[in-house]
Amino acid sequence: DAGVIQSPRHEVTEMGQEVTLRCKPISGHNSLFWYRQTMMRGLELLIYFNNNVPIDDSGMPEDRFSAKMPNASFSTLKIQPSEPRDSAVYFCASSWGGTGAYEQYFGPGTRLTVT
Amino acid sequence: GDSVTQMEGPVTLSEEAFLTINCTYTATGYPSLFWYVQYPGEGLQLLLKATKADDKGSNKGFEATYRKETTSFHLEKGSVQVSDSAVYFCALSIPHFGNEKLTFGTGTRLTIIP
Repeated sequence: DAGVIQSPRHEVTEMGQEVTLRCKPISGHNSLFWYRQTMMRGLELLIYFNNNVPIDDSGMPEDRFSAKMPNASFSTLKIQPSEPRDSAVYFCASSWGGTGAYEQYFGPGTRLTVT
Repeated sequence: GDSVTQMEGPVTLSEEAFLTINCTYTATGYPSLFWYVQYPGEGLQLLLKATKADDKGSNKGFEATYRKETTSFHLEKGSVQVSDSAVYFCALSIPHFGNEKLTFGTGTRLTIIP
């Protein structure tokens, strides 16, 4: 089975530019999560969706960040405009609540560098 | 609120040593408990899980037992290898519809020396 797919794997951009990160969850999973990981702040949940609907976006840092999930097989996280402090590894994860345990499966991450 | 407290790292051990990484939790309901592992340059991978009290999760020689009386889920391995060097995260979720978030600990970096 293909796992969670993220693209691009690496992104280098200049401050002020728009950045779009993409995620394809595992087929059949009904929840999708976006995380950010930095040395200083560790692993932070930004937003999560259930059945394509945003459930909790309290972790989104500010209005520069937005996320969409137009269908069950695709999600985007957009940063506009980007700033150097957005440099981090961004992970997407998906899960299926049918087992009741809600374990999440993570993608390989997108390493974002904003100069 | 729900929280997970992990043993502070980094932890450095010699190959074949015994490993324990402590994890305790606070939860309002009856959580499921997880250990995730993150190898360098990769995403987090589920290592093992337990969904009810006294359950033991195990995988790749690692074990953890869900102890409700001590609210703990300590990770153990009898003989570590260099390939076990990674960051380990303890996590919990409260399995009810509409709230599937995982609450993670801060992670413990483990380095195994040959």
